Amino acid sequence: DAGVTQSPTHLIKTRGQHVTLRCSPISGHKSVSWYQQVLGQGPQFIFQYYEKEERGRGNFPDRFSARQFPNYSSELNVNALLLGDSALYLCASSLQGGGETQYFGPGTRLLVL
Amino acid sequence: GQNIDQPTEMTATEGAIVQINCTYQTSGFNGLFWYQQHAGEAPTFLSYNVLDGLEEKGRFSSFLSRSKGYSYLLLKELQMKDSASYLCAVVPGTGFQKLVFGTGTRLLVSP
Repeated sequence: DAGVTQSPTHLIKTRGQHVTLRCSPISGHKSVSWYQQVLGQGPQFIFQYYEKEERGRGNFPDRFSARQFPNYSSELNVNALLLGDSALYLCASSLQGGGETQYFGPGTRLLVL
Repeated sequence: GQNIDQPTEMTATEGAIVQINCTYQTSGFNGLFWYQQHAGEAPTFLSYNVLDGLEEKGRFSSFLSRSKGYSYLLLKELQMKDSASYLCAVVPGTGFQKLVFGTGTRLLVSP
């Protein structure tokens, strides 16, 4: 079975632009979470979605938004990009977003110039 | 607030045993995960502890003491491929599954 997939793998943008990152969870998983990982740090929680509803939001500005589709795939949108948004964006899927294991995708590496 | 502490770096030699410690202070506790992350790659799941005690899985073991807010990951018979970052992540009592990660411990295994 395919694991979590993310697209694109790499992205270069300039300050002020907008970006959309995509994630497809493991088949049968209904929950998707997004994390931001800057170099040398652990991942930071951004959002969790379950059954198309936002379940939780981390300490990120409103420039960050997300949604989940009926097929459980998800998009993360970031508006008005800043240099500090340069990071590895990780998507993780789990069965129901409860206490079970989260499985991570390969990530999208975003560079903002 | 949430605070997860791990050593920044550790070194060990091939064939040895290494123990990576993690201490946490979180508002509530619903489990602790260990992930392995090679440079430039996604974290991969290693272990999950929700009750006190030791969980063993091959060369890897993980221990949890909830009363002490303490966990460790034990790696035996180290191999060169074990050189990676090891991330400790706690699920606090928020009602949904948000992982709070430490900064990770970079392990370098030398011949």
